[in-house]
Amino acid sequence: NTVMTQSPTSMFISVGDRVTMNCKASQNVGTNVDWYQQKTGQSPKLLIYGASNRYTGVPDRFTGSGSGTDFTLTISNMQAEDLAVYYCLQYNYNPRTFGGGTKLELK
Amino acid sequence: EVKLQQSGDELVRPGASVKMSCKASGYTFTDYAMHWVKQSPGQGLEWIGTIIPLIDTTSYNQKFKGKATLTADKSSNTAYMELSRLTSEDSAVYYCARGTSGYDGTYYYDYFDYWGQGVMVTVSS
Repeated sequence: NTVMTQSPTSMFISVGDRVTMNCKASQNVGTNVDWYQQKTGQSPKLLIYGASNRYTGVPDRFTGSGSGTDFTLTISNMQAEDLAVYYCLQYNYNPRTFGGGTKLELK
Repeated sequence: EVKLQQSGDELVRPGASVKMSCKASGYTFTDYAMHWVKQSPGQGLEWIGTIIPLIDTTSYNQKFKGKATLTADKSSNTAYMELSRLTSEDSAVYYCARGTSGYDGTYYYDYFDYWGQGVMVTVSS
């Protein structure tokens, strides 16, 4: 199976920070990566699809980039409402596999 | 408005089976795949499998073959997942999620755009 390794596993951030988190695939997955946000007690929500395409209604402070094995999700101006766990998912190979998540917490 | 309404939480005995539902509304049920995702307590997400209701075709994560069975009822716009021979390892929240995929001329895309609220399954004697 394709292993998706996210780093860091957690980050302590302040409102207004620029936040960068990473996702590394164990093999080339092209741009077949999505990013999801999960707030406590809620279902995951789609943020980015195809590595770099912002889903409808997602604020433009969220940016996805990367291809091949290395992917990045950036939040340019962190807001309190962005506190959540973020997951990458590859759909290039079966089975689809998620990363372990990056948890954003307030300093 | 697209909505996926899942059935209620379940408390089940070890060795038993459980069948949960995911009722879709606000879109044409047969136009989209339905995926199922497991989230173990305090853990991340695992893709279980998918069903294409239009042609009743399923695809499973090998890990869940024999454990999960996916079905769909086109007459009621409802997808189902049955989990069998339950153990404590099956205690988790299970989500259904609509799958949208296509090709826009440049790249292939595939994502889960709507999710159910989740079903918590607790396996305990």
